[in-house]
Amino acid sequence: AQSVSQHNHHVILSEAASLELGCNYSYGGTVNLFWYVQYPGQHLQLLLKYFSGDPLVKGIKGFEAEFIKSKFSFNLRKPSVQWSDTAEYFCAVTRSGGSYIPTFGRGTSLIVHP
Amino acid sequence: DTAVSQTPKYLVTQMGNDKSIKCEQNLGHDTMYWYKQDSKKFLKIMFSYNNKELIINETVPNRFSPKSPDKAHLNLHINSLELGDSAVYFCASSQASPYTERGVGNEQFFGPGTRLTVL
Repeated sequence: AQSVSQHNHHVILSEAASLELGCNYSYGGTVNLFWYVQYPGQHLQLLLKYFSGDPLVKGIKGFEAEFIKSKFSFNLRKPSVQWSDTAEYFCAVTRSGGSYIPTFGRGTSLIVHP
Repeated sequence: DTAVSQTPKYLVTQMGNDKSIKCEQNLGHDTMYWYKQDSKKFLKIMFSYNNKELIINETVPNRFSPKSPDKAHLNLHINSLELGDSAVYFCASSQASPYTERGVGNEQFFGPGTRLTVL
């Protein structure tokens, strides 16, 4: 069965630090990849997504993610975090050729200290 | 102008009770979902409806019964609540069915969640 792993469950950073959150998936075929964010007290919303083309995807609020097919990874990055980036981050994967039901990782809790 | 709304936001109840959670979307989407987020934060799909028709029914106890009176609403009724039902339940919608090519890159639009606590 397809699975999505987010290895960092809790990340604590100071403002202006660089961020990289890991996401690995287990499916070997063509995939579509997503990062969602859930700010405190709010609903999940899409940060960015990858279908095809340039493996470096840019999203909202200065986030980007790189799809590395050989590593089955889709890591999320931001060069300089802000206090307002404190949130839960979820990676999700759907696979082409089957149902496009997303499989979510368990999330990474990011706390940014001012 | 909330896109996907759920009520109630918090629900505290006793074991054995029956409760409902309501969900509405005003995005004009065809497909709606219920997800359960457990204490370890895993988000798992429970049900999905496309144009009022059930298309996904994961392994969920039949105490859980979804109902879609129209494509803008998907309610979740839970009978005989158990301690293990305590979780956050998220409603979501997407433009296309996850079983079609239009479902490629099917962004999910989530509601704010309902935190259910069973005592």
